Amino acid sequence: EIVLTQSPGTLSLSPGERATLSCRASQSVNSNSLAWYVQKVGQAPRLLIYDASTRATGIPDRFSGSGSGTDFTLTISGLEPEDFAVYYCQQYGGSPVTFGLGTKVEI
Amino acid sequence: QVQLQESGPGLVKPSETLSLTCTVSGRSITSNYWTWHRQTPGKGLEWIGNIHYSGRTNYNPSLKSRVTIFIDTSKTRFSLKLSSVTAADTAVYYCVRGDGWHLYWGQGTLVTVSS
Repeated sequence: EIVLTQSPGTLSLSPGERATLSCRASQSVNSNSLAWYVQKVGQAPRLLIYDASTRATGIPDRFSGSGSGTDFTLTISGLEPEDFAVYYCQQYGGSPVTFGLGTKVEI
Repeated sequence: QVQLQESGPGLVKPSETLSLTCTVSGRSITSNYWTWHRQTPGKGLEWIGNIHYSGRTNYNPSLKSRVTIFIDTSKTRFSLKLSSVTAADTAVYYCVRGDGWHLYWGQGTLVTVSS
């Protein structure tokens, strides 16, 4: 099973600042099959990025994904108030599908 | 717009079987894979398994001995059964479309295992 380690656990920033979130895999993720989600309290996760760097429909371009192999990054270029939430990475290149434990972005 | 809605008991007794159904609207269920995830504060998000509309299934090895996912194409829904539940199975259960990344999620349903 591929274990995904997200860091930091919590990121304290202000609106307008740049956020850089890391997701490291215990082994190489096939075909860069990695997605990023954002989750707010009481809601289901919402897809931001898939295939490591492709933005999902309707996602603003301040969100970008990069990386390959075992190291992946989600960058939010300028935090908006609605971006303060928990972010998860997910790999779907190997079975079973696995998720990281999340990074909380707080004010 | 695809919509998914989980339904089922919110409380299940230990050792019994958890049963949930996901009703799909806005798109035919006779395409794609359909997946169940769950989320707990301790373990985070966990993939339970998925089913192809043809009936082919894939399960998480950690749950495989207790999980069954089946599909009812005529009623545009798919279901999850998890047997011999314990308190560790208390979680929010989500149904989603697809077998990789997921654009469409149900709102989630909390299932508590308690006597």
